[in-house]
Amino acid sequence: DQQVKQNSPSLSVQEGRISILNCDYTNSMFDYFLWYKKYPAEGPTFLISISSIKDKNEDGRFTVFLNKSAKHLSLHIVPSQPGDSAVYFCAASARGLQNNNDMRFGAGTRLTVKP
Amino acid sequence: GAVVSQHPSWVICKSGTSVKIECRSLDFQATTMFWYRQFPKQSLMLMATSNEGSKATYEQGVEKDKFLINHASLTLSTLTVTSAHPEDSSFYICSTGQGLNTEAFFGQGTRLTVV
Repeated sequence: DQQVKQNSPSLSVQEGRISILNCDYTNSMFDYFLWYKKYPAEGPTFLISISSIKDKNEDGRFTVFLNKSAKHLSLHIVPSQPGDSAVYFCAASARGLQNNNDMRFGAGTRLTVKP
Repeated sequence: GAVVSQHPSWVICKSGTSVKIECRSLDFQATTMFWYRQFPKQSLMLMATSNEGSKATYEQGVEKDKFLINHASLTLSTLTVTSAHPEDSSFYICSTGQGLNTEAFFGQGTRLTVV
């Protein structure tokens, strides 16, 4: 049961332009959403998160937008840099659960930023 | 942030043998660790939740007798793939968190290839 979906397996953008990565979820119990970045042969590293009480969270070049009614979130990277090239995972959790680290992940989107 | 060390980073084994993967939290005590598996182009799928001093909790469809989890101390959890088969070839990764923080910290992952 794929509760978190990233429908674009890959995305290619030019350096300096905006990268928009999308994520959809089905479980209305999810109330906390995270983006992770993964380089080859490494584990994912936390990038940015957003609580369901917000619709936007910004951290430097990274902004996450949440649309609860559409069960959709997106990660914007602007300006994109070649070092941003990686696989980006969207994750969701329901913090009311006992295991609040029990997250569900999307399949990931491979971002390539061309110089 | 917390550091989680996973070893080995890659392993090739013969069909029918067993492989042990270690996950260590280096700078904090982890009462709970999570084990994920990722097949190509698919999500990180939670396999089991490892609890220090007690039995692991396995997700539906994951064979507990095949994927043995031991969490003997607050800093070490191990996953043993027993009687490995080629279809067990995958990327295995552990994660943990700190208390109520829903941000997970991942190990580097282990690429298992069964030949």
